[in-house]
Parts: sequence; structure tokens; C-alpha cells
Amino acid sequence: DVKVTQSSRYLVKRTGEKVFLECVQDMDHENMFWYRQDPGLGLRLIYFSYDVKMKEKGDIPEGYSVSREKKERFSLILESASTNQTSMYLCASSTRTGFNSPLHFGNGTRLTVT
Amino acid sequence: GQQVMQIPQYQHVQEGEDFTTYCNSSTTLSNIQWYKQRPGGHPVFLIQLVKSGEVKKQKRLTFQFGEAKKNSSLHITATQTTDVGTYFCAGRGSGNTGKLIFGQGTTLQVKP
Repeated sequence: DVKVTQSSRYLVKRTGEKVFLECVQDMDHENMFWYRQDPGLGLRLIYFSYDVKMKEKGDIPEGYSVSREKKERFSLILESASTNQTSMYLCASSTRTGFNSPLHFGNGTRLTVT
Repeated sequence: GQQVMQIPQYQHVQEGEDFTTYCNSSTTLSNIQWYKQRPGGHPVFLIQLVKSGEVKKQKRLTFQFGEAKKNSSLHITATQTTDVGTYFCAGRGSGNTGKLIFGQGTTLQVKP
């Protein structure tokens, strides 16, 4: 069974702090994604990656960056946290096959920025 | 840009009643996926529809993909308390960039 592990379940940070959210998957998946989930807005794609050292912007990349130095690990970075980045962050992975493969999600990190 | 709208946002039903959530895209989709998120959990893949007019069933759940591949629905027959959660549709554009666009989700509450 695919396992996607996010390093923290809950995180509280202060405005202006640099925040790292880590995600590791154990199924050798090529694709990895970062979403944020807010009530009434569904899941919105922040960044994604199809390969090591490769990244592409999603729909809401402003205020975020990512890093993928190893295939199994995809990090989301908030360069200077702001209160409007308080949200649930979900990491997901999928195989490359035909772009039709389902997403496997981690348990999420609930980030609060005060 | 491509948008996927999902209605209703919330639905409260009595156990045993049926439930339907609808998903509409502003553009033609190459495929659509459905996910379920239990309270406090993460989204879990349920099914994918690819063909125009496709209908798939999983026990009491029936999934449909519209003829024009711009809409989809999930129907649950005789809801149970285990059906509680948020159901998301996610559409992939016909340009096939690899990105899924998620709907806002429908949260289902079932009264025993």
C-alpha cells in the first residue's frame, strides 16, 4: 500500500517565519503535489513535480516555493509566513503512467500562522 | 482557466435516504476522478471515469460521466452513517497537463 507521510500533523508558526513542510512517499512515484485545503474552496494546487529537481507552479504558487532533491521527498517552503497561509496542507503522489493515475494523499499538516 | 463547480456544498440526510452530488466543468474533461474524505482524514481515491456517458457502480455508489464530458455525478442509494464525509470530484482538462482541478466538495451528514 502506498504511504505518503507528512512530517507534522499540526504546526503553529509566527508571521514572518520561514516554514518547511516535508513530505515523503515510499512507492517510487514520479509525481508529487502540494495542495492547500480551505472550507468552501476545495483543494487548490500550489506546486507539483514530475521528477527530481523539477517543479512547476500550480494555481496558487504565490508566497510558496518547493524543493525536490530526492525522488521520494517533496518539500513545501513558506518563505515568510503570513496569516492568510493558515490552512490545511496536503501532499500527494502518483505514478507517471498516462497522467490518469489516482492521487495518494498524506494525512495533512494543519498550519496556523499567528 | 478551467473551473470545476460542485453542488451542493452541504447535504444533511436521514439514514436510508438517497444522496447525489453534481460536478460541472467549464471545459471538456479528459477524465474525472472522485475522492472521499472522512472527517479528520485525507482524501481517498474512489473511482475514475474516462469515457463519454460512462456509468460505474461500487455497491451503493453510482458514478456517471456526462455525454459531453463536462459534468459528472455521484449518487448514493440508501445512505448509511459510514457514508459521512466530504466527496470531491476532480477533473483533468483535455489538454492533459497532468493537473487535476478539484471541485469545492460536498459534505454529507447522515442522521441515524
